[in-house]
Amino acid sequence: NAGVMQNPRHLVRRRGQEARLRCSPMKGHSHVYWYRQLPEEGLKFMVYLQKENIIDESGMPKERFSAEFPKEGPSILRIQQVVRGDSAAYFCASSPALAGVNLNIQYFGAGTRLSVL
Amino acid sequence: LAKTTQPISMDSYEGQEVNITCSHNNIATNDYITWYQQFPSQGPRFIIQGYKTKVTNEVASLFIPADRKSSTLSLPRVSLSDTAVYYCLVGDDTGRRALTFGSGTRLQVQP
Repeated sequence: NAGVMQNPRHLVRRRGQEARLRCSPMKGHSHVYWYRQLPEEGLKFMVYLQKENIIDESGMPKERFSAEFPKEGPSILRIQQVVRGDSAAYFCASSPALAGVNLNIQYFGAGTRLSVL
Repeated sequence: LAKTTQPISMDSYEGQEVNITCSHNNIATNDYITWYQQFPSQGPRFIIQGYKTKVTNEVASLFIPADRKSSTLSLPRVSLSDTAVYYCLVGDDTGRRALTFGSGTRLQVQP
């Protein structure tokens, strides 16, 4: 059973370009979460999605950032017009749909390291 | 979500037992305590979860006193490969499912 797959692992963009980060959850998982981590800091929640729905986007900046989890295909975190402050590691996690089972256990991918020049 | 406090860093030697304590004074009745481990350049990995008393798995033990205001992650006989950041999280499965990570405890294991 493959784990959470993220690609690309490393992404370099120039200021003003767009960044697209992809995440395929574990098989059977319908909940996806995106987190951002700056060096020497803990992960910060950005957005929580279920298939075709955004459940909680309270941690995501209102501008330039968007996320989707379509019926078919991976979840996408999209950052438009990137700035140097967007440079960070972006982690995706997934969990199964069953509430009450394995509470708070999320399975993380290896992350995408975004560098903005 | 209950706030957690844990030491910023710890040092140990191979073969020793390491205990990392986390304080969560405002833990709620429905809250579980979960620990994650993160190696450099990798995503966090679930280690162990508990509600009260003691939980043990093949990786670690988790000790939770009766008042549940703290918890201790115990790593038996650490090796160099246990060098990582360890995060203590507290929360439940109702409502908001986002995990709240603090700064974690950076464990350095020396030979």
